[in-house]
Amino acid sequence: DAGITQSPRHKVTETGTPVTLRCHQTENHRYMYWYRQDPGHGLRLIHYSYGVKDTDKGEVSDGYSVSRSKTEDFLLTLESATSSQTSVYFCATLQGASTDTQYFGPGTRLTVL
Amino acid sequence: AQSVTQLDSHVSVSEGTPVLLRCNYSSSYSPSLFWYVQHPNKGLQLLLKYTSAATLVKGINGFEAEFKKSETSFHLTKPSAHMSDAAEYFCVVTWGYKYIFGTGTRLKVLA
Repeated sequence: DAGITQSPRHKVTETGTPVTLRCHQTENHRYMYWYRQDPGHGLRLIHYSYGVKDTDKGEVSDGYSVSRSKTEDFLLTLESATSSQTSVYFCATLQGASTDTQYFGPGTRLTVL
Repeated sequence: AQSVTQLDSHVSVSEGTPVLLRCNYSSSYSPSLFWYVQHPNKGLQLLLKYTSAATLVKGINGFEAEFKKSETSFHLTKPSAHMSDAAEYFCVVTWGYKYIFGTGTRLKVLA
């Protein structure tokens, strides 16, 4: 457990509206990740960050943007939500250096109507 | 490139019988490999990890996995299933500081 919280935990929104999900960690981990989980696909990486203001794309980044202005917070934004973005979103952190174990937050269930 | 294949999307066992969840990986270098478990409507919990030390890795709740380089496999086993083991299990291979997930195996335990 790396002291990871996600907010909100549940959200229902309408197509075309912007949505921001927040991931907050208390362990000063360098790396942070956003995944989406869909049946039959496992978890797929959306974006990740390797430091403040340093981010990169994952395998399913289209339609998503991220920001990291502080070590402890990593925001995921859906600029204009679509029904295909209905999913469960997980945040994860990794300390880096000598460890390669990721720790996961509790998830956010997003429904786009 | 790294990839991981979980050979069974669903596995059913009777309580008290052995569990085998299969995972094959592809990696261009010596990988780190993980198994995570996800109980219904919960987050992911680390079961065990392999990082090039002992090839037989013991995890929590009686699970273990064996790294077999010649077979590129990292199968998860448990001698005796318990009802509380019913969950989805994910095999993961690392790629730098990124994880590549398998598609998951849903384990059902029958009374």
